[in-house]
Amino acid sequence: GAVVSQHPSWVICKSGTSVKIECRSLDFQATTMFWYRQFPKQSLMLMATSNEGSKATYEQGVEKDKFLINHASLTLSTLTVTSAHPEDSSFYICSASDYRGRTGYTFGSGTRLTVV
Amino acid sequence: DAKTTQPTSMDCAEGRAANLPCNHSTISGNEYVYWYRQIHSQGPQYIIHGLKNNETNEMASLIITEDRKSSTLILPHATLRDTAVYYCIVRGNSGNTPLVFGKGTRLSVIA
Repeated sequence: GAVVSQHPSWVICKSGTSVKIECRSLDFQATTMFWYRQFPKQSLMLMATSNEGSKATYEQGVEKDKFLINHASLTLSTLTVTSAHPEDSSFYICSASDYRGRTGYTFGSGTRLTVV
Repeated sequence: DAKTTQPTSMDCAEGRAANLPCNHSTISGNEYVYWYRQIHSQGPQYIIHGLKNNETNEMASLIITEDRKSSTLILPHATLRDTAVYYCIVRGNSGNTPLVFGKGTRLSVIA
């Protein structure tokens, strides 16, 4: 089955620094990737949609200059949290799709970001 | 995409069938019903999806009412490892539109 690898699984960083999260599709070409954020005891909130080779589309209220998304290849998308602050601490999850009649989207295992 | 309504939480005894309901009364003709689950601190896992016919796979069965306004996910023999939040999502099946998650149902399987 389709596998999406997300790395790192957890990261602790100092306030003001930047953190990069990688999302890779291991056995399929992901034409589209989605990034979600999940706060404790809440559901997943869509942050942005990225299509390979084009700029990401951000959901309302998500700062595109703070959450930089790059989808330069069909197997890799990255989310960079720039100048992180404690309120950015969250669980970040990516999802990938080739969506040629497949049964569903595949999710990464998530990245727990803690900003101190 | 149509909105879904699910109970906040449910309990199920280990070994018994877990029946998770979902209301999607505003579903349109070309929208599918998807079920995902999320075990604590992991990414969501695909379970099953369907359009109008009942579906079954190795994980679960999906029963969709004839008017398609509601559905039930059935885990035939729940185990402790099935404890998770279960999300019912309705979306069209064309293009790369994202899955939009509601609050889901927290299923607790009890020994």
